[in-house]
Order: sequence, then structure tokens, then C-alpha cells
Amino acid sequence: DTEVTQTPKHLVMGMTNKKSLKCEQHMGHRAMYWYKQKAKKPPELMFVYSYEKLSINESVPSRFSPECPNSSLLNLHLHALQPEDSALYLCASSQGPRTGSLEAFFGQGTRLTVV
Amino acid sequence: AQKVTQAQTEISVVEKEDVTLDCVYETRDTTYYLFWYKQPPSGELVFLIRRNSFDEQNEISGRYSWNFQKSTSSFNFTITASQVVDSAVYFCALSHNYGQNFVFGPGTRLSVLP
Repeated sequence: DTEVTQTPKHLVMGMTNKKSLKCEQHMGHRAMYWYKQKAKKPPELMFVYSYEKLSINESVPSRFSPECPNSSLLNLHLHALQPEDSALYLCASSQGPRTGSLEAFFGQGTRLTVV
Repeated sequence: AQKVTQAQTEISVVEKEDVTLDCVYETRDTTYYLFWYKQPPSGELVFLIRRNSFDEQNEISGRYSWNFQKSTSSFNFTITASQVVDSAVYFCALSHNYGQNFVFGPGTRLSVLP
């Protein structure tokens, strides 16, 4: 099973709304990631959790707040977003550092539209 | 600083043609990892292959083959006898730090026409 599940698949939210994106994997991976992908662009790293601790934050605005409740779950809490935050948000997981297996497996993404 | 360049923005081929996607990378690390991912219209990034910097063996897997040349900092990907289902955006990626920080190239959009 190499599946990373993201919910919801599509989300439309207003600039004053609060919403959350969810990501789940049951591969025993200890590193989980959030990426943002704008149309016709490559994915851009936002956050990395390693062993449930935030290890990389790529200077993401505070209106994006990640959370890793346990080793299988990763959330991205959204608040007061701007229309330019509309994008495909991808979650990924990998076995983690020092395991020798480094490839990341991605979910299908959440297509977010901010109105 | 790390950088990945994919000079081909879009490629169109007719089914059964061979096609090579180019990838050139820059890094100052002595240990690094290279990847190819495929992104079909559904949006999910599909892992295809990983190469370690200390392993320059080329690889063939079915219709796919990869040519890693450390001397020219290139990691090219060839699809033999292309099929319509190969139509997707292909990303080359580079990582250090035990694979935690992927840097993606801009992607090459491949269209295989019937």
C-alpha cells in the first residue's frame, strides 16, 4: 500500500473562513510534507515534519498552520487566506531521514480556491 | 544552492516514437539524490525512479530508461515506444539532507498523440 489520502479533493473558501486540509498515510512513514503547486508550476515545499516534529518551514505566512497529531496524520489549518493562495496543495510522505529510502509518495492533492 | 533545469517546456510526439526528457542539476553537496516524478492530469505526483549521487549505473525498467552522467550533471529520462497514457508533466527533482528537501525542476509537459 503506497497510498497517501488527502481530503477534501476540492475546497472553495472565503477570505474570512477557517478550514483544514487533511492528509493520512499508513505506510509507517516518519516524514510528512506539505507542498503548494500553482498552475503550470512545480511543487514548492511549505513544511516538513520529521518524527512528528516540524523540521522545515519554508517561510510560509502564518495564515497557514501545520499540525501533525500523530505519525499517520498531517493537517494544514487555513485562516484568512488571500485569492493568490488558490492552488493545488499536495501532501507527501517518505520513510524519513537515515532510513535509506528517500522517495516521497504524494497524495492527489486538494484543489483550493479562495474567493 | 540547488537548482534543477528542464529546458524542454513542452514536447509532442506521435505514439510509438521514442522521447528523451532532459534534466540538468546544480548542487554543491557531494551526496545528493535525484528523482523523476510523473504528474498526470489527475494531479497526483507518481514516483518513477531515484538515483543516489554515488551510483552512476544507468537503469532500464520496461519502456523507461535513465541516463545519469555526473560529469555533465545530467539525469535524462527516455521513454521508448511512447503511448498516449504517457502524456503528463514530468518533473526532475534533487534532494539533499537525507531526502527531506526536494527541489523540483520546472517540469516538461509531454503530449503523446495517437
